[in-house]
Amino acid sequence: GAGVSQTPSNKVTEKGKYVELRCDPISGHTALYWYRQSLGQGPEFLIYFQGTGAADDSGLPNDRFFAVRPEGSVSTLKIQRTERGDSAVYLCASRMPGENEQFFGPGTRLTVL
Amino acid sequence: TQLLEQSPQFLSIQEGENLTVYCNSSSVFSSLQWYRQEPGEGPVLLVTVVTGGEVKKLKRLTFQFGDARKDSSLHITAAQPGDTGLYLCAGDPKDSNYQLIWGAGTKLIIKP
Repeated sequence: GAGVSQTPSNKVTEKGKYVELRCDPISGHTALYWYRQSLGQGPEFLIYFQGTGAADDSGLPNDRFFAVRPEGSVSTLKIQRTERGDSAVYLCASRMPGENEQFFGPGTRLTVL
Repeated sequence: TQLLEQSPQFLSIQEGENLTVYCNSSSVFSSLQWYRQEPGEGPVLLVTVVTGGEVKKLKRLTFQFGDARKDSSLHITAAQPGDTGLYLCAGDPKDSNYQLIWGAGTKLIIKP
């Protein structure tokens, strides 16, 4: 079956602009995670959804970051007033209920100029 | 704060050599996972270890979970260029049922 997909694969924007990053999880995976990863580093947790609700958003760095998952499937990570420090690869992962394995998408590489 | 420390951070060796990557913590985990990530892709799960002292083998890769479930190692025998990638360990804390604690990764390069 299809894996986790993320769009766009690359996004270049200017400082101060608004961006949206999309994640399509594996069908039936109720848990969805957003991570941020800098080059050569491990994933940094941002937010976790169980169904439609954000069960833990403690990793969001500040109020410029927001994520939604209105129908419990597709999720959108929204970043307002982007800063150069937001440049990173944003990874999405989904997980089956009761399982530990997270399935990752290929990521969106965000570059803020 | 629970942390997972991986070492070395970077390793570059010749094809055919053996290597070991370590993942250490002062915290106990109910399980620990090893992932491998290639450039432009997300991490992919290699193995999950659950029992203290457990050893799992995946072809030339041997994974071990420490007796106290605080640390783990990954040993690669006769490394090949296809083993090149970022190896990440991730621990499942005993008091959490959803969030993994991630190490910073070991970047491995195998030169032909």
